[in-house]
Amino acid sequence: DSGVTQTPKHLITATGQRVTLRCSPRSGDLSVYWYQQSLDQGLQFLIQYYNGEERAKGNILERFSAQQFPDLHSELNLSSLELGDSALYFCASSVDGETQYFGPGTRLLVL
Amino acid sequence: QQQVKQSPQSLIVQKGGISIINCAYENTAFDYFPWYQQFPGKGPALLIAIRPDVSEKKEGRFTISFNKSAKQFSLHIMDSQPGDSATYFCAPGPYGQNFVFGPGTRLSVLP
Repeated sequence: DSGVTQTPKHLITATGQRVTLRCSPRSGDLSVYWYQQSLDQGLQFLIQYYNGEERAKGNILERFSAQQFPDLHSELNLSSLELGDSALYFCASSVDGETQYFGPGTRLLVL
Repeated sequence: QQQVKQSPQSLIVQKGGISIINCAYENTAFDYFPWYQQFPGKGPALLIAIRPDVSEKKEGRFTISFNKSAKQFSLHIMDSQPGDSATYFCAPGPYGQNFVFGPGTRLSVLP
């Protein structure tokens, strides 16, 4: 157990809908990262937050947004969902940037 | 985005054998070279990492070999066990900014 929690574990929704994925980092970790993992694209970095501020941005679509709250939990919002957004979404946290501790992931299925 | 290549894409090894996975990168400014291990249904977990001031690092049955001039580093798993069957990702990058993961190598260790 990495100490990172993600909810929900599974999510099934329809195209065009909006969903919110939640991540609670390890106690004391200020950085939160979001990744998308699909079979054909591998593990793709989306975005990093550090103590509430956006720190780095990867290949995150404009339909996706994230934020980190004062209690350091983070949410990833996915809107206008498309079939191709079906994937595993991982959150990771880190205290120093050296080691990222990944959560168990949220499996999103868009029908 | 920086290119990170892994080889082989998949690997089958007999129990007790040596598994070798390679990672190639482009950016000579990278200074942190981790390997992550991911079991089915789980998030990736840091396995072992190296900084460029050493050419090799060993932790138990796992060894990283680093070739700075060739811009490559390798993961060696000695005495491979069925429990090592997983997908392995390299994620070279600047220290604290290891967002770009390789495409992964699926290792199967036969009993």
